Amino acid sequence: NAGVTQTPKFQVLKTGQSMTLQCAQDMNHEYMSWYRQDPGMGLRLIHYSVGAGITDQGEVPNGYNVSRSTTEDFPLRLLSAAPSQTSVYFCASSYLNEAFFGQGTRLTVV
Amino acid sequence: DAKTTQPPSMDCAEGRAANLPCNHSTISGNEYVYWYRQIHSQGPQYIIHGLKNNETNEMASLIITEDRKSSTLILPHATLRDTAVYYCIVRVATGYGQNFVFGPGTRLSVLP
Repeated sequence: NAGVTQTPKFQVLKTGQSMTLQCAQDMNHEYMSWYRQDPGMGLRLIHYSVGAGITDQGEVPNGYNVSRSTTEDFPLRLLSAAPSQTSVYFCASSYLNEAFFGQGTRLTVV
Repeated sequence: DAKTTQPPSMDCAEGRAANLPCNHSTISGNEYVYWYRQIHSQGPQYIIHGLKNNETNEMASLIITEDRKSSTLILPHATLRDTAVYYCIVRVATGYGQNFVFGPGTRLSVLP
């Protein structure tokens, strides 16, 4: 099993550009989440989804959009990138008491 | 969710047991204690969780005090690959998935 796969691993954007971070899982989990991690800090929740067609905001949703059209995929869209969105982004899927994380996307906005 | 308090950093000699403490004095009766770790900017990895009984798996042991106000994660024979940030999280268990709130954690350095 691949688990949770994130692409790309690294990305550099210019201020104002938009992009989509991809996340796919092959464990048939209904629950998926996006987090960001800034240097020296814990993870903060951006958006999450409890199943296809259902999403909700987390702690830091501003500047990000999500949608969930299939169980497997949960893309995160940056609408107009800002330097404050420079961070490492982690996608996770969860079932019962365990969350499975992807390897992260390191995003730099210049 | 109950607040947790962990030391910011700890050292441990390779081959020795690493004992990572966590205080959660406001934990409620239906909240579990979860431990995750994050190795060098990889995604966090689940280690173990428990309610009130001590738990053991192939990675670690979890010791929860009788009053449940604190717990200790034990890595019985730490290796250099156990160097990581360890997160103690208190959450209610669900019958489906959930999110976890990751604080600053404890940075464990295993020394040769």
